[in-house]
Amino acid sequence: NAGVTQTPKFQVLKTGQSMTLQCAQDMNHNSMYWYRQDPGMGLRLIYYSASEGTTDKGEVPNGYNVSRLNKREFSLRLESAAPSQTSVYFCASSVGVEQYFGPGTRLTVT
Amino acid sequence: KQEVTQIPAALSVPEGENLVLNCSFTDSAIYNLQWFRQDPGKGLTSLLLIQSSQREQTSGRLNASLDKSSGRSTLYIAASQPGDSATYLCAVNGGGADGLTFGKGTHLIIQP
Repeated sequence: NAGVTQTPKFQVLKTGQSMTLQCAQDMNHNSMYWYRQDPGMGLRLIYYSASEGTTDKGEVPNGYNVSRLNKREFSLRLESAAPSQTSVYFCASSVGVEQYFGPGTRLTVT
Repeated sequence: KQEVTQIPAALSVPEGENLVLNCSFTDSAIYNLQWFRQDPGKGLTSLLLIQSSQREQTSGRLNASLDKSSGRSTLYIAASQPGDSATYLCAVNGGGADGLTFGKGTHLIIQP
């Protein structure tokens, strides 16, 4: 099993550009999450999806949108990237109590 | 709002020592607590998960304890090895499907 996969691994954007980060899991998990990790801030929740067809805001949702395309896939979209969105983005999934994380996407906005 | 604090922020010890990493949280109404390991430039690997009804969990040289009433957890690493060098993250789950609240981590270096 691949677990949780994320694409791309690295991305550089200019301010104002848009992009979508992709996440997929093959563990048949109901819940999926997007976090960002910044130096000195720890991981913070951006959005989550408790089940297919539902999404909810986390702690830092501004500037992002999400789509739960199906049970496997949960994408994160930056409509107009800003330097403050430079970060490492992690996707995670869970069924029940334990969360499993993807390898991350390192995004730089110049 | 739940807050998670990890002490120390960084730790460097010689190989072979037993060591303790600390995690505290402000709201004791948690569903579970999870310890993760993160290697530089990598994702998070789950080490141990403790349910709120449990007092401790063990995996190999790792032992995690939970005192929910006092809002504390410790991760004990026995006979440390250079391969244990990583950042260790503590995270609590409030019980909903709304994700984990993380501490900022302890950066651990084991000197050969």
